[in-house]
Amino acid sequence: EPEVTQTPSHQVTQMGQEVILRCVPISNHLYFYWYRQILGQKVEFLVSFYNNEISEKSEIFDDQFSVERPDGSNFTLKIRSTKLEDSAMYFCASGLDSGGEKLFFGSGTQLSVL
Amino acid sequence: ILNVEQSPQSLHVQEGDSTNFTCSFPSSNFYALHWYRWETAKSPEALFVMTLNGDEKKKGRISATLNTKEGYSYLYIKGSQPEDSATYLCAFERDAGNMLTFGGGTRLMVKP
Repeated sequence: EPEVTQTPSHQVTQMGQEVILRCVPISNHLYFYWYRQILGQKVEFLVSFYNNEISEKSEIFDDQFSVERPDGSNFTLKIRSTKLEDSAMYFCASGLDSGGEKLFFGSGTQLSVL
Repeated sequence: ILNVEQSPQSLHVQEGDSTNFTCSFPSSNFYALHWYRWETAKSPEALFVMTLNGDEKKKGRISATLNTKEGYSYLYIKGSQPEDSATYLCAFERDAGNMLTFGGGTRLMVKP
């Protein structure tokens, strides 16, 4: 069965460093998302992406964050200058359509900012 | 800020017990309610997406109901098995948008 894959599974970085989290969505899906879960908190929406542009983003997704689909298969989340509070599990998800459709999630990247 | 709440936070049951938990969500601007099952170290897996008031969905021993007017959904597991142990997440989708607002989850542990 097709699945969303994320790499790396764990990433440790120093505060102020740039990180890129990578995702390969399911190949025929058109809608792509990043969510995150800070330890002990709810899963939070970051951004949605369709047709090579951001369709919606949350307040969390400030100028330090960016997303890209560079080659038609990968979908990346970049954090330009990491802060301690960026430490979280980051999930990529993809969907075939928007509005009332199941999302397919990856198993996450645990980001630790020291 | 959208408020999506789940109860209980955690639940311990014996194998064979039936159980249910609740998700409450805003009753305005409703588009869909999602349920996901999330096992430790794995990907959250979609169980159901419900869009209509009164919807009932079933997958094996797991079923869900939806009341959009009062803003709640129940998830039922009949005859719990140890492999049902997981965190069950609900998520509210507003206005046919892409953004899901998640509840805090119910962590279910089924003892053999």
